[in-house]
Amino acid sequence: EDQVTQSPEALRLQEGESSSLNCSYTVSGLRGLFWYRQDPGKGPEFLFTLYSAGEEKEKERLKATLTKKESFLHITAPKPEDSATYLCAVQGAQKLVFGQGTRLTINP
Amino acid sequence: GAGVSQSPRYKVAKRGQDVALRCDPISGHVSLFWYQQALGQGPEFLTYFQNEAQLDKSGLPSDRFFAERPEGSVSTLKIQRTQQEDSAVYLCASTIRTGAAAAQYFGPGTRLLVL
Repeated sequence: EDQVTQSPEALRLQEGESSSLNCSYTVSGLRGLFWYRQDPGKGPEFLFTLYSAGEEKEKERLKATLTKKESFLHITAPKPEDSATYLCAVQGAQKLVFGQGTRLTINP
Repeated sequence: GAGVSQSPRYKVAKRGQDVALRCDPISGHVSLFWYQQALGQGPEFLTYFQNEAQLDKSGLPSDRFFAERPEGSVSTLKIQRTQQEDSAVYLCASTIRTGAAAAQYFGPGTRLLVL
């Protein structure tokens, strides 16, 4: 059974303090790994898709990387508006399986 | 352009009532998905449509849950005889193409509270 575990569950940073969020996964035949951002009361917002180990993608202060067992979402010099829950999901042979998310808070 | 829309945004139901949740996908999107999200958890898959065909309903928790997409566009998730454990946010997502590894675009969700 496909599984996704995200860590930490919650993370508080000061504005400008860089860090990384972890997504560990087990999947039969990875077809894609997805990162989403979710604000309170809203649906998940698509950020990145990664397809194979070694792949990296960037968007503004965010960079996602992928290995055979895990993915990292690096956030560089975050701002308060980056505060949200970040969700990781894997697509194997069938359905998309999500982790429980990392709740990120950036203090000004 | 217009994204995925869902209605109602909030629904309060008494235990035992039937409810219907609507999803309007992005125009032209072939695939449509329903998810259930409990508080503090990630979304969990319920069911999947490709056009009007329901190809996977393995995530539906019981036979009280039923989904349809009769014309391959708008979809409705129906929950019969609601129970308190059905309280959650129900999310709809769509993708432009079939096949795996296509990014899914989500609606804002319907928050269901069963009293």
